[in-house]
Amino acid sequence: DIQMTQSPSTLSASVGDRVTITCRASQSISSWLAWYQQKPGKAPKLLIYKASSLESGVPSRFSGSGSGTEFTLTISSLQPDDFATYYCQQYNSYSLFTFGPGTKVDIK
Amino acid sequence: EVQLVQSGAEVKKPGESLKISCKGSGYSFTSYWIGWVRQMPGKGLEWMGIIYPGDSDTRYSPSFQGQVTISADKSISTAYLQWSSLKASDTAMYYCVRPPIPGIAAAGDFDYWGQGTLVTVSS
Repeated sequence: DIQMTQSPSTLSASVGDRVTITCRASQSISSWLAWYQQKPGKAPKLLIYKASSLESGVPSRFSGSGSGTEFTLTISSLQPDDFATYYCQQYNSYSLFTFGPGTKVDIK
Repeated sequence: EVQLVQSGAEVKKPGESLKISCKGSGYSFTSYWIGWVRQMPGKGLEWMGIIYPGDSDTRYSPSFQGQVTISADKSISTAYLQWSSLKASDTAMYYCVRPPIPGIAAAGDFDYWGQGTLVTVSS
């Protein structure tokens, strides 16, 4: 099974900060990686697919990069609406998808 | 408009059986795989399995194989997740999800999510 890790597990930041979250896979997943945002009591929302493609309707301050085993999600200028938990997910393994443990972004 | 509407919250006792549902609308239900994701209280997301309603082809995460059953009734555009004997550790929010590309099980970037069904198992 492919294992996913994320760092940091918690990130304290201020509005306007540039924020970067890292996701690592235990083996190469090419670019088959998605990023989701989840707010308390809500279903996750797809932000990025195929490592760097922005989902329709998602603000351009969100961007993704990486391939192989190391990936990043960057928020260029953190907004009040962005305080949430972020999950990466690999979909390289046919029907055996794995989520990362999550990164909580809270207010400094 | 694509929608996945899940059944309501459930409170059950250990050992009881349960079947929760996810009704798809606004798209060709038989053409897209539907998956299930578990989120235990205060924890992260876990992939459970996926079904293709067109022919009922079903794949399970090894962690959930034998613990749950995923099924679908294409006549009413509804997917199901069921337990034959619940445990307290099954207490969680369960989401159904749909990938963006029809017919492709490997399309794991889920752009549509149900609202979630909270299952509480307590004696």
